[in-house]
Amino acid sequence: GAVVSQHPSWVICKSGTSVKIECRSLDFQATTMFWYRQFPKQSLMLMATSNEGSKATYEQGVEKDKFLINHASLTLSTLTVTSAHPEDSSFYICSARQRPDTGELFFGEGSRLTVL
Amino acid sequence: EDQVTQSPEALRLQEGESSSLNCSYTVSGLRGLFWYRQDPGKGPEFLFTLYSAGEEKEKERLKATLTKKESFLHITAPKPEDSATYLCAVQAPNFNKFYFGSGTKLNVKP
Repeated sequence: GAVVSQHPSWVICKSGTSVKIECRSLDFQATTMFWYRQFPKQSLMLMATSNEGSKATYEQGVEKDKFLINHASLTLSTLTVTSAHPEDSSFYICSARQRPDTGELFFGEGSRLTVL
Repeated sequence: EDQVTQSPEALRLQEGESSSLNCSYTVSGLRGLFWYRQDPGKGPEFLFTLYSAGEEKEKERLKATLTKKESFLHITAPKPEDSATYLCAVQAPNFNKFYFGSGTKLNVKP
C-alpha cells in the first residue's frame, strides 16, 4: 500500500519560534497533499490543500502567514508553523492521494506539536 | 449543509460480540465513501472505499456497506486488537473536498 511519512512525530518548542513539519510520500508521487489539524476527541479539520509547484489553497479561517505550506516536489510537502504560540499546540496530520483519479487518502503518522 | 455524522460516539463490546458502526451523510453527489481506523496518537489507516449504493467490501472481521444515505461498518466477532477510533469520510463532487465524521471509538474487552 501507499506509504506517507511525517517527521517529526513530536516536537516541543518555545513560544515565538517556528516549527517545520515534513510530509513525504515514500513510494508514489503526489501532486496534491492535504494538511489537517486534529483536536482531542475530534475529527480531522482540513487546514489546506498543498499543490506541487503552486500555492497552497487554505481553508477559511486558517491563517496563511501563520501556517506556511510548501510543496516543492512530487514527494514532499512541508508545513511551517511560524511564531508558534500555545494555542497552536495540536496534532497535525498530512495525507496524499496515491493516484490522482481515485479518492483514497493515505495519511502520515501525525506530528504532535506542543508549544510552551 | 453537507456533513457526515457517525454514531455511536463510543462503543464498548465484549470480545466476540458483533456490532455495527453507522456513518450517515448529506453530501450531494458523493464520489466515494472511505473508512479509516485511527489508533491513539497515530494517523488514520485506510480500510475501505465504497463508490455506489449496494457496494460491499470485506477485510478480515470488518465489512463495509453503502446505501444512498449511509454506510455501515460491521464488525464480526471483534477482538481486543480491533479497539480503535473508526473514521468515515465522504468525497464531494469537488475532487479535493472531503468531509470527515467525528469517529466512533470502539473498545473491545477480552
